[in-house]
Amino acid sequence: DTEVTQTPKHLVMGMTNKKSLKCEQHMGHRAMYWYKQKAKKPPELMFVYSYEKLSINESVPSRFSPECPNSSLLNLHLHALQPEDSALYLCASSQDRRNTEAFFGQGTRLTVV
Amino acid sequence: GDSVTQMEGPVTLSEEAFLTINCTYTATGYPSLFWYVQYPGEGLQLLLKATKADDKGSNKGFEATYRKETTSFHLEKGSVQVSDSAVYFCALSADPGGSYIPTFGRGTSLIVHP
Repeated sequence: DTEVTQTPKHLVMGMTNKKSLKCEQHMGHRAMYWYKQKAKKPPELMFVYSYEKLSINESVPSRFSPECPNSSLLNLHLHALQPEDSALYLCASSQDRRNTEAFFGQGTRLTVV
Repeated sequence: GDSVTQMEGPVTLSEEAFLTINCTYTATGYPSLFWYVQYPGEGLQLLLKATKADDKGSNKGFEATYRKETTSFHLEKGSVQVSDSAVYFCALSADPGGSYIPTFGRGTSLIVHP
């Protein structure tokens, strides 16, 4: 199994809603990542988890809250988002933080209304 | 800081044409280099990689050679197909002090016409 699975594929939420994005991998990878991608732009790194501990937070606003319940799962909790947060959110994993071959999920297309 | 520069797109080709997408990088140390492809509505897929100078990565007819002297990692394919239409991202990973920070180029859109 070389897949990274993200749910949901699409999400529309209001600015007062709370929602969560989920990411799962069963490759035994110990590093997991969240990226944000706007249209026609490269992915921007948001968070890196290494061995279930947050190791990199790229100055992301607190309305985005990551969580890594175990080595296979990564969540991104969303609260009080703004319309400019609408984007494709990508999850990725790699064997560990020093192994640079990352496997990406299909992404969650988020629209904030 | 580390950076990746890709040629601006879109690149528009006819089927069976030769493809080159230029990529140059700036990095401290000895980064690993990657090409990722993103098909419409999908996530990124690793296309090929090279981890040291003079390495050639290849996959699905695509090739790229890690050139340290010119700090380049150009993507080539001898004969493109309509199904190759996608956005291609050049990326590097450097490991300063044990912190892997992936860096992506802006992406180059490839459009292949029948």
